[in-house]
Amino acid sequence: SQTIHQWPATLVQPVGSPLSLECTVEGTSNPNLYWYRQAAGRGLQLLFYSVGIGQISSEVPQNLSASRPQDRQFILSSKKLLLSDSGFYLCAWSVDLFGPEAFFGQGTRLTVV
Amino acid sequence: DAKTTQPTSMDCAEGRAANLPCNHSTISGNEYVYWYRQIHSQGPQYIIHGLKNNETNEMASLIITEDRKSSTLILPHATLRDTAVYYCIVRVGTNAGGTSYGKLTFGQGTILTVHP
Repeated sequence: SQTIHQWPATLVQPVGSPLSLECTVEGTSNPNLYWYRQAAGRGLQLLFYSVGIGQISSEVPQNLSASRPQDRQFILSSKKLLLSDSGFYLCAWSVDLFGPEAFFGQGTRLTVV
Repeated sequence: DAKTTQPTSMDCAEGRAANLPCNHSTISGNEYVYWYRQIHSQGPQYIIHGLKNNETNEMASLIITEDRKSSTLILPHATLRDTAVYYCIVRVGTNAGGTSYGKLTFGQGTILTVHP
């Protein structure tokens, strides 16, 4: 069966520090991968999606970047964190371009102080 | 993707049916209705989806009106563990073409609280 791993579960980082969140998927090949963010009291916002290795699409301009160095690995990064980057970050995958459902990881709660 | 409107919050007694409405009056012919839920501090979980026929699975039933402008998610026997935020999402589905890439646009959802 397919599983998605996301780590760390919680993270506290100072303003101006770098960020690297990693997500890996097991049990499937060539998944579509996504990074979402959920700010406190708000809905989920799609940040990035990827349909293949090295292919990244950004949904909103921001202080973050994403990379996909391997088929089942998706990384969310920042060179210098801002206070506004705090939130709940979720990685997700779907089977194909028109897959009916997406599967989410357990999320990383990032607090920038 | 079409916009959806859901009530901010709802309450339900344990063991009773929970009926969660969703309005999607601008839905297009090739757009499906999806429901996800998010339990506190966890990732969203897929529940069910449909195009125009009513659908049922082990988790819930989905009732879509004939004009497809609204739908209702039904949890037949709500339990305390069903307390969560429920999201109604409309997007293009299988074989629809375009470049949706499985993107899901989440609104604010409905906070369902199941009481003992």
